[in-house]
Amino acid sequence: GAVVSQHPSWVICKSGTSVKIECRSLDFQATTMFWYRQFPKQSLMLMATSNEGSKATYEQGVEKDKFLINHASLTLSTLTVTSAHPEDSSFYICSATVKTQYFGPGTRLLVL
Amino acid sequence: AQTVTQSQPEMSVQEAETVTLSCTYDTSESNYYLFWYKQPPSRQMILVIRQEAYKQQNATENRFSVNFQKAAKSFSLKISDSQLGDTAMYFCAFSRGYGGATNKLIFGTGTLLAVQP
Repeated sequence: GAVVSQHPSWVICKSGTSVKIECRSLDFQATTMFWYRQFPKQSLMLMATSNEGSKATYEQGVEKDKFLINHASLTLSTLTVTSAHPEDSSFYICSATVKTQYFGPGTRLLVL
Repeated sequence: AQTVTQSQPEMSVQEAETVTLSCTYDTSESNYYLFWYKQPPSRQMILVIRQEAYKQQNATENRFSVNFQKAAKSFSLKISDSQLGDTAMYFCAFSRGYGGATNKLIFGTGTLLAVQP
């Protein structure tokens, strides 16, 4: 139980394009999902908290217009990196909550 | 503000031996949760163990156990009978509140554990 999936697992895109990453809770409903970013050999940095049916809450320093989050249902949250640039290249991880946070497998984004 | 500190960037242990990873935290909250997550080379974050602050009994999960010292704000992880599959980055994390679900996690910087054959 408590399985979280992410799609795609990796993506390469050109600078200036937008990329959408999906996070799904497969066997439970999650009113809250979280989006993290992780640089190599570093800890997870929380980007935003996503609540079903309402606007996401972004952490300080995270550009809400660049990282668009939508939580349209109890099993799906999406992160869209708009007008991606090479500095947005990173590992993005989502989590969904049922008593405890369970994490998706992550998405590797490379912007050329 | 809450902080989580892991003072051991890297550790190494021989297979079948026991190792302890340290974690300290700082908070003024009375109700909170503490967690250990592991991140193997696949980078999938996996919950290892969870401790409710209001419980005095230390949590255990098979070969994994914690030493929770609330007054000292210490939360160490002991891995017994280490296995090669335990090789991973281990993160200590803190969450406010009762449920630990809708509240965000605050992570430490991690300890890279290598289990040697």
